[in-house]
Amino acid sequence: AQKITQTQPGMFVQEKEAVTLDCTYDTSDPSYGLFWYKQPSSGEMIFLIYQGSYDQQNATEGRYSLNFQKARKSANLVISASQLGDSAMYFCAMREVQGGSEKLVFGKGTKLTVNP
Amino acid sequence: DAGVTQSPTHLIKTRGQHVTLRCSPISGHKSVSWYQQVLGQGPQFIFQYYEKEERGRGNFPDRFSARQFPNYSSELNVNALLLGDSALYLCASSLVGSNYGYTFGSGTRLTVV
Repeated sequence: AQKITQTQPGMFVQEKEAVTLDCTYDTSDPSYGLFWYKQPSSGEMIFLIYQGSYDQQNATEGRYSLNFQKARKSANLVISASQLGDSAMYFCAMREVQGGSEKLVFGKGTKLTVNP
Repeated sequence: DAGVTQSPTHLIKTRGQHVTLRCSPISGHKSVSWYQQVLGQGPQFIFQYYEKEERGRGNFPDRFSARQFPNYSSELNVNALLLGDSALYLCASSLVGSNYGYTFGSGTRLTVV
């Protein structure tokens, strides 16, 4: 079974600074996909960024980038120029495909607080 | 284009009762999945439906059931509610195999008292 580990229950960052949220994963599948989601207090899970196991370059989406280190099985999210609206829970997830079904396996999340 | 819509947004039920949660996917998305998120945890997979058939089931008791309709909307049913069923229930729709992940609704917050 696949597993996602997020070791930072909470992180604090000053507005306009960069922050890195850690994610390590465990899988025996050679092909996999990694996702990061943001969950504000409203509850909705908002897709941020995707990294495929065979992608040659680290994924980037605006202020979000993924520091993908395949050998270390880590997929850390980097948020540049933090904004107050970035305060939320952040979840790392891996897509698991088994016997015709697919699902996301989530970590426990990291609560990010951006201070003014 | 409308996103994933879930209803109701909040619900309070008594132990032993039955509950039905509803989800309408993004137009064109044929796969709908349900997740349970208890306080302080990441979402846990309950079901995946694709083309009206159950494709996957997570480690949940038989009290949990779901179905998908011809218009790809879906219902999640939970019988004989327990206090531990109190959680945020999230519905997600997707194009199968999409690298853009799943689009989630805002969820239904179920409280069992």
